[in-house]
Amino acid sequence: DSGVTQTPKHLITATGQRVTLRCSPRSGDLSVYWYQQSLDQGLQFLIHYYNGEERAKGNILERFSAQQFPDLHSELNLSSLELGDSALYFCASSFGTGVDGQFFGPGTRLTVL
Amino acid sequence: GQNIDQPTEMTATEGAIVQINCTYQTSGFNGLFWYQQHAGEAPTFLSYNVLDGLEEKGRFSSFLSRSKGYSYLLLKELQMKDSASYLCAVRSSLSGTYKYIFGTGTRLKVLA
Repeated sequence: DSGVTQTPKHLITATGQRVTLRCSPRSGDLSVYWYQQSLDQGLQFLIHYYNGEERAKGNILERFSAQQFPDLHSELNLSSLELGDSALYFCASSFGTGVDGQFFGPGTRLTVL
Repeated sequence: GQNIDQPTEMTATEGAIVQINCTYQTSGFNGLFWYQQHAGEAPTFLSYNVLDGLEEKGRFSSFLSRSKGYSYLLLKELQMKDSASYLCAVRSSLSGTYKYIFGTGTRLKVLA
């Protein structure tokens, strides 16, 4: 158990819908990262927040947005969902900006029908 | 462009040593990470290299050569539980921001 929690574990929804994935980092960690993992594309870095501020952006679509709240939990919002958005979404956390490694949560499996 | 290459699959015997290679092309190199991922589970951090050389952590060691764009993960005294995918990831820093690029992973099978 990494200490990172993610909810929900599974999510099934329809195309065009909007969903919110939630992540709570390990106690004391200030950074939260979001990743998407699909079978054909491997692990893709989406975005990084440090202490409430966006620090880095990867291949995150404009339909996706994220934020980190004052209590350091984070939410990833996915809108206008498409079939191709079906994937495992991981949240990870670290104390600093990641050179000490990132600790991954168990993931949220999103299925878009 | 930015690219990471690692072998798709490797097989080794319990008790042996295996080396998983990773080559990368990136601008603004800012560190290389190795993660282990068992099927259906989240990745687990193994190592971080930012300077050339070997970092040893128990049965696992990771090596980096920045001039060659090359790293390897060395696993000694292989155990059945080491059967997993091993992900090489590079942190790339550009214009005050950075991103993480992951390889597609090397699936290691350890045989009895």
